[in-house]
Amino acid sequence: KAGVTQTPRYLIKTRGQQVTLSCSPISGHRSVSWYQQTPGQGLQFLFEYFSETQRNKGNFPGRFSGRQFSNSRSEMNVSTLELGDSALYLCASSLMTGYEKLFFGSGTQLSVL
Amino acid sequence: QQQVKQSPQSLIVQKGGISIINCAYENTAFDYFPWYQQFPGKGPALLIAIRPDVSEKKEGRFTISFNKSAKQFSLHIMDSQPGDSATYFCAAISRDDKIIFGKGTRLHILP
Repeated sequence: KAGVTQTPRYLIKTRGQQVTLSCSPISGHRSVSWYQQTPGQGLQFLFEYFSETQRNKGNFPGRFSGRQFSNSRSEMNVSTLELGDSALYLCASSLMTGYEKLFFGSGTQLSVL
Repeated sequence: QQQVKQSPQSLIVQKGGISIINCAYENTAFDYFPWYQQFPGKGPALLIAIRPDVSEKKEGRFTISFNKSAKQFSLHIMDSQPGDSATYFCAAISRDDKIIFGKGTRLHILP
């Protein structure tokens, strides 16, 4: 079974631009959650999607948004990029809702210049 | 803000030794405590997890010890090997489905 796939692997953007990251979950997994990982703040929960609906949201500004498609694939969008948005963005999938058994992708490393 | 405090930030252990990483939480609403292992360039991978109704859980060389009254839990890696060198994260999940991670411990096992 293929694991969680995130694309692109690396991304370089400039301040003010917007970016879209993609996540394909493990086949059969219906929940996708997103996380931001930085050296200073560690791993922080962004949001979770299940059956195309946002089920849960972390404490991030509205510039961070996401969606999930009917095939469970998910995208995350960050608008008006700031330098502080530079981070590794990880998505994780699980069979059902919740966070007890998460399978993470390798992440997208976003650098904002 | 709910927090999970993880220590130490970094740890060096001799091969064959015991690695111990500690986490402490504040909110009694947490009811599931997983540990994740992350290698450079990879996402975290679930290692072992525990619920607060048990005091210890063991899987191979990995053991979680849980102290409900102290609101602390720890990961013990017995017979530590160079291949265990990675960053380890504890996490806490609440009954209302919030997940909080510790800030991670960078473990290095000396050969």
